[in-house]
Amino acid sequence: GAVVSQHPSRVICKSGTSVKIECRSLDFQATTMFWYRQFPKQSLMLMATSNEGSKATYEQGVEKDKFLINHASLTLSTLTVTSAHPEDSSFYICSARDASGPRSSYEQYFGPGTRLTVT
Amino acid sequence: GQNIDQPTEMTATEGAIVQINCTYQTSGFNGLFWYQQHAGEAPTFLSYNVLDGLEEKGRFSSFLSRSKGYSYLLLKELQMKDSASYLCAVLDSNYQLIWGAGTKLIIKP
Repeated sequence: GAVVSQHPSRVICKSGTSVKIECRSLDFQATTMFWYRQFPKQSLMLMATSNEGSKATYEQGVEKDKFLINHASLTLSTLTVTSAHPEDSSFYICSARDASGPRSSYEQYFGPGTRLTVT
Repeated sequence: GQNIDQPTEMTATEGAIVQINCTYQTSGFNGLFWYQQHAGEAPTFLSYNVLDGLEEKGRFSSFLSRSKGYSYLLLKELQMKDSASYLCAVLDSNYQLIWGAGTKLIIKP
């Protein structure tokens, strides 16, 4: 099956610093990648949709200058949380869509997630 | 607006059967997914329905009725490892996934 990796799995940073999270599709090309945030006991919240070679589309209420997304290749997207604050502490999950199949082209394969703690 | 409803929490006994319902109201419909998510982990794919009817895959089955905007996930022969959250998600007319809040399933021995 399609595999998506995410790095790092856990990160602790100080308030005011920036953190970069990488999302990679290991065995397929992902023209579209998604970034989600999940707070404890809550559902996934889509932050942005990232298409290779173009600017990300951010959901309402998500600050594009704070959450920088770059999708430079068909296998890599990065999310940078700039000037992180304690309220940014959350579980960040990326997913990727494999566009090579008919039905499967809309299934999202998830990375293992990154737990960010801002102190 | 778009809306997906599923129960917040359900409890079932090991070895039993449980049905998790999902109702949806979305702008368009291009399929419905069920994902399983264990605490602290990312969701994993369980099933995809785009036509009415029941799809069976081992101990898990998923049903869809498009006219009723309704789906359910049926889990048989429950095992302790099935304790997780089950997320219902609908692909809307823009092929965007709309997520439900998830149903936390607690399995008791």
